[in-house]
Amino acid sequence: QSALTQPRSVSGSPGQSVTISCTGTSSDVGGYNYVSWYQQHPGKAPKLMIYDVTKRPSGVPDRFSGSKSGNTASLTISGLQAEDEADYYCCSYAGSHTYVFGTGTKVTVL
Amino acid sequence: EVQLVESGGGLVQPGGSLRLSCAASGFTFSSDWMTWVRQAPGKGLEWVANINQDGSGTYYVDSVKGRFTISRDNAKNSLWLQMNSLRAEDTAVFYCARHGTGTIVSWGQGTLVTVSS
Repeated sequence: QSALTQPRSVSGSPGQSVTISCTGTSSDVGGYNYVSWYQQHPGKAPKLMIYDVTKRPSGVPDRFSGSKSGNTASLTISGLQAEDEADYYCCSYAGSHTYVFGTGTKVTVL
Repeated sequence: EVQLVESGGGLVQPGGSLRLSCAASGFTFSSDWMTWVRQAPGKGLEWVANINQDGSGTYYVDSVKGRFTISRDNAKNSLWLQMNSLRAEDTAVFYCARHGTGTIVSWGQGTLVTVSS
């Protein structure tokens, strides 16, 4: 039950694209197509942005997209906007009804 | 609209106990798995425990096994987390959340638990 590894921070200018990686193992990220991504603004509850690796809940802009290759999942934010500045966490199913979160990434809009 | 409202947080001494509650509305509570997730001050999210639809299956992160108990009452649309033998490292905001298949889909606003003497 070790946390998934994410970069501590990423940054980009408005309109640019940024990608956040989420590295686990074959027992979590690599073993299941149940990777989710959450956005969290300071003092607020997390919000689901991507689920099942690539799916977007209704209401989430299509600027947000997800992918996975092997034991690493990724979240890409295209056309970065000021309101995208937040912390982002990945989460993966880890078998036996357990889950593991990533270490979190702070996205800064320059 | 899905609503999850946590309560029961507060200050407790090391070794003490606390019971968190979560009142759910806006969805068919008895149809969904439920979960607790915590976040220590300035730190990341940590999955703590979840429970299946009828309460017959409960699962925990290793660090709380034997100390925390998750339970639910579908007639009252309520979820609980009984926390015993609390430690300083349990200090966190605890979120009640609703599960979809393989993902956590809805979150409450959280309740702060502080373990300190």
